[in-house]
Amino acid sequence: LAKTTQPISMDSYEGQEVNITCSHNNIATNDYITWYQQFPSQGPRFIIQGYKTKVTNEVASLFIPADRKSSTLSLPRVSLSDTAVYYCLVGDGGSQGNLIFGKGTKLSVKP
Amino acid sequence: KAGVTQTPRYLIKTRGQQVTLSCSPISGHRSVSWYQQTPGQGLQFLFEYFSETQRNKGNFPGRFSGRQFSNSRSEMNVSTLELGDSALYLCASSLRQGRMGTGELFFGEGSRLTVL
Repeated sequence: LAKTTQPISMDSYEGQEVNITCSHNNIATNDYITWYQQFPSQGPRFIIQGYKTKVTNEVASLFIPADRKSSTLSLPRVSLSDTAVYYCLVGDGGSQGNLIFGKGTKLSVKP
Repeated sequence: KAGVTQTPRYLIKTRGQQVTLSCSPISGHRSVSWYQQTPGQGLQFLFEYFSETQRNKGNFPGRFSGRQFSNSRSEMNVSTLELGDSALYLCASSLRQGRMGTGELFFGEGSRLTVL
């Protein structure tokens, strides 16, 4: 089975840029990489999705190198409300296309 | 547009009992997937249904099962509950059709199961 690895936790201060990296070996050719944000007592919420190179939306950027074995979520100028757990999701490299989440990175933003 | 609805939100069971959880996806979404979330293991994929057929299954014992109805609503069942089954069970729906890739998942708020 494909495995994803993320840092367990990260600390930051308001206004800083935060980069969270996820390693994912055995990613399938057709799989996209997706990042989700989760607040306590809520379901995860979609942040951004990409296939390769760089993707940017109004809240984040996603950097994916050519070998696609990792991805980096970049959050510009974080605020206290960005304190949450961030998950990366890729499909299993196997034929069944199972969905593999990382264990999540707990981001704590301090004033 | 209504989001994903999960019921019940909270429930308490005792060991050996069984439980059924329900998920109503976003209108038009035919893919429904289920996840178990615990503090130690994070988010783990249980299974995915598409057009009433289970097409993917995670690494969980046979006590965990599910089904999907013609209106795309889904249920999951856990039989012979164990203490370790205490978790938040999340359901997600999506427009995902193919086996590969992910697509955007829309999650419900989950059903929190406590097994005593």
